[in-house]
Amino acid sequence: GQNIDQPTEMTATEGAIVQINCTYQTSGFNGLFWYQQHAGEAPTFLSYNVLDGLEEKGRFSSFLSRSKGYSYLLLKELQMKDSASYLCAVVENTGFQKLVFGTGTRLLVSP
Amino acid sequence: DGGITQSPKYLFRKEGQNVTLSCEQNLNHDAMYWYRQDPGQGLRLIYYSQIVNDFQKGDIAEGYSVSREKKESFPLTVTSAQKNPTAFYLCASKDSFGEAFFGQGTRLTVV
Repeated sequence: GQNIDQPTEMTATEGAIVQINCTYQTSGFNGLFWYQQHAGEAPTFLSYNVLDGLEEKGRFSSFLSRSKGYSYLLLKELQMKDSASYLCAVVENTGFQKLVFGTGTRLLVSP
Repeated sequence: DGGITQSPKYLFRKEGQNVTLSCEQNLNHDAMYWYRQDPGQGLRLIYYSQIVNDFQKGDIAEGYSVSREKKESFPLTVTSAQKNPTAFYLCASKDSFGEAFFGQGTRLTVV
C-alpha cells in the first residue's frame, strides 16, 4: 500500500520562496512526480525524481531522499500565476506501474 | 500531434444510468490510468492498465468498470452501482520512464 502526505494549504508573497513538502510510505518505489494543477484544469508536469538529490528547472526545483521517504518542491521568485494546487505522485512498482497521488497542496500567492 | 484525448468534456447522466467516458492516446504508452477528483481534493486512482487486455483495480474501483482492448484506448464506464458519481474524471498515460500525460478531463454530473 501507499501513504502520501502533503500540507493542505500554504500561503506566500509574490517574489518570495516557498517549499512544499511531501512524505510517502510505499513499497517498490519507482519515482516521484510533482504536478501543478489550476482549478478546473488537468495537471501539468513539473518534475520527476527517481534518484536522490536536487533537480533544478528554472524557478522550480525538486528534491528527493529515498531513505527518508521525503521530497520537496521549491518555488522561487513567486508570481501570482503560481497560485495553484501542487500534487505529489509516487510510482509504486509491484509488477505494475501504479501511479498514486497525494491530496495536493493549495498554494495562494498574494501581492 | 501526439497526445491524450478525453471526451466528452461535460457529461450529464440520469440516476440509474450507466455512462462511458472515452480516453484515447497516440503516444504509444503502455500504461493508462483513470482518476477521480472531487472539489478541493486530490486525485484518487480508479483503475489502471499496464498492457492490452489487462487492468488492475485502484483505490476506489467500486461502481466502475474498464476495458483495454487496444493499446490506444482505455474507456471508463460509470455504472449505476456508483452511488456518488458526480466528479471530475481524469485519464492519463505514461511510458516506463517518463512523465504521465493527462487528458483535459470529463466533468460528470448526475441530474
